[in-house]
Amino acid sequence: DSGVTQTPKHLITATGQRVTLRCSPRSGDLSVYWYQQSLDQGLQFLIHYYNGEERAKGNILERFSAQQFPDLHSELNLSSLELGDSALYFCASSVGFSGESYEQYFGPGTRLTVT
Amino acid sequence: AQKITQTQPGMFVQEKEAVTLDCTYDTSDPSYGLFWYKQPSSGEMIFLIYQGSYDQQNATEGRYSLNFQKARKSANLVISASQLGDSAMYFCAMREIIITNTGNQFYFGTGTSLTVIP
Repeated sequence: DSGVTQTPKHLITATGQRVTLRCSPRSGDLSVYWYQQSLDQGLQFLIHYYNGEERAKGNILERFSAQQFPDLHSELNLSSLELGDSALYFCASSVGFSGESYEQYFGPGTRLTVT
Repeated sequence: AQKITQTQPGMFVQEKEAVTLDCTYDTSDPSYGLFWYKQPSSGEMIFLIYQGSYDQQNATEGRYSLNFQKARKSANLVISASQLGDSAMYFCAMREIIITNTGNQFYFGTGTSLTVIP
């Protein structure tokens, strides 16, 4: 158990809908990262938050947004869902973000299926 | 160009033997980090080992070692004394620090599926 929790574990929804994925980082970790893992795109970095502020963006679609709240949990919002958004969405956390080595702890992921 | 390249989609190794999983990377940043992760069939991502671009020595963590050749931009993972539980997908990843040093950008390879044969 990495200490990172993600809910829900599975989510099935229809095209055009909106969903919210939730992540709670390990206690004491200030950085939260979101990733998308799909069969055709592999593991893609989406976005990085540090202590409530967005710090880096990867291949995140405009239909997707995220935020990190004062209690450090994070939510990833996916809207106008398309079939291609079906994927495993991971959240990861770490203590910091710069310079020295650090380990990212991954949550168990949320499996999103868009039908 | 791909930031991380893993050219071995699948690998087989005999139990108790050593195996090398290849990874090459592409960056012009002087400071970066290289990671290896293991993803078993259960789906979780497990951190294995880290190598910083300025580290002089190759990283080692138990049976895992990273063969870091900076000039060749390669960061191969060596697993010694393979065990059946090592059967999994292995991902190489690179962290680039955003130029303003306010965040990190991560890139992952496509992974190598390792099967350990009894």
